[in-house]
Amino acid sequence: ILNVEQSPQSLHVQEGDSTNFTCSFPSSNFYALHWYRWETAKSPEALFVMTLNGDEKKKGRISATLNTKEGYSYLYIKGSQPEDSATYLCAFDRDDKIIFGKGTRLHILP
Amino acid sequence: DSGVTQTPKHLITATGQRVTLRCSPRSGDLSVYWYQQSLDQGLQFLIQYYNGEERAKGNILERFSAQQFPDLHSELNLSSLELGDSALYFCASNAASTDTQYFGPGTRLTVL
Repeated sequence: ILNVEQSPQSLHVQEGDSTNFTCSFPSSNFYALHWYRWETAKSPEALFVMTLNGDEKKKGRISATLNTKEGYSYLYIKGSQPEDSATYLCAFDRDDKIIFGKGTRLHILP
Repeated sequence: DSGVTQTPKHLITATGQRVTLRCSPRSGDLSVYWYQQSLDQGLQFLIQYYNGEERAKGNILERFSAQQFPDLHSELNLSSLELGDSALYFCASNAASTDTQYFGPGTRLTVL
């Protein structure tokens, strides 16, 4: 059974603090790892697509790393802002199938 | 606005009925993906089409079918509907040159 695990399930972070969370996925048949940001009542918005082991990607205050050999990816948010409150989803793409984690729900406290 | 459109926005129907959900990808995108978001299951990949051909299949029930037309829009057909089919159905598209997927606004299906 292919499983994608995200931890923690939920996270409360003080505004201005930095945070990170994890996505674990099968290390075989890897094609790509997707990160999405999903705000309530909206559609998932693509953050990163990562394909190579050791990849590091950055978009403003958000960055991600990828380790395909051990099957994990980290998402980092630096200096959290209220607009970062959302669910962050990762998806394991093995080209013939895409499996989503259940997401990390991030709450930024003022 | 991602450039992906889905119609209708909401759909309410009865058990046993059949519905069709429609998706228009971003201009120039050849791939269309369908996803189901239900409360207990999270986001589930259903099926992918590329330039009119089925390319990958996920957890799509036999009562469900999809197709992609020559103009690249796609339809997801759901038949013999059950209460458990109530969910938010998303489609997404991407270009051949990138793996980034752009999601549409979704169709909320309620089966009564």
